[in-house]
Amino acid sequence: KAGVTQTPRYLIKTRGQQVTLSCSPISGHRSVSWYQQTPGQGLQFLFEYFSETQRNKGNFPGRFSGRQFSNSRSEMNVSTLELGDSALYLCASTLAGGPAGELFFGEGSRLTVL
Amino acid sequence: AQRVTQPEKLLSVFKGAPVELKCNYSYSGSPELFWYVQYSRQRLQLLLRHISRESIKGFTADLNKGETSFHLKKPFAQEEDSAMYYCALGWNTGFQKLVFGTGTRLLVSP
Repeated sequence: KAGVTQTPRYLIKTRGQQVTLSCSPISGHRSVSWYQQTPGQGLQFLFEYFSETQRNKGNFPGRFSGRQFSNSRSEMNVSTLELGDSALYLCASTLAGGPAGELFFGEGSRLTVL
Repeated sequence: AQRVTQPEKLLSVFKGAPVELKCNYSYSGSPELFWYVQYSRQRLQLLLRHISRESIKGFTADLNKGETSFHLKKPFAQEEDSAMYYCALGWNTGFQKLVFGTGTRLLVSP
């Protein structure tokens, strides 16, 4: 069974631009979560989607948004990029109704903002 | 607010020595605690969860609600245990939101 796939793996943007990251969950997984990982703050929860609905959101500004499609694939968007948005963005999927906390992570999308 | 603290950024031990990775949490309700591990060039993956009370790869962790701790232990460290370990806190809301600690890098030397 293929794991969680994230694209692109690496990208470089400049301040003020926007970026869209994509995540394909494990087949059959309907919950997709996003995390931001930085050296200073560690892993921080961005949001979770289930059945195309955002059902939980972390403490991030409105520039961070996401969505989920009917096939459970998810995208997250960051608008008006700031230097501090440079990070590894991790996507995780899990079975609906599965054990709490059993997240399956992708390899991440590393965003560098210049 | 929910918080997870891992006081050690780096823990260096010799092969065969006991290992204890510390984790303390802050949560007033009934917590669910997890340990995740990331080996070199691999994805972050679940190692164990407190509710299972199982031993994985020789590691165990006991939830101590009085001390609000969930320390990860292994009696005899192996070189292949070298990795980044993250403690994480969840709560039984049915949602998959976890609060992670900042991680401890375990280095096991021969």
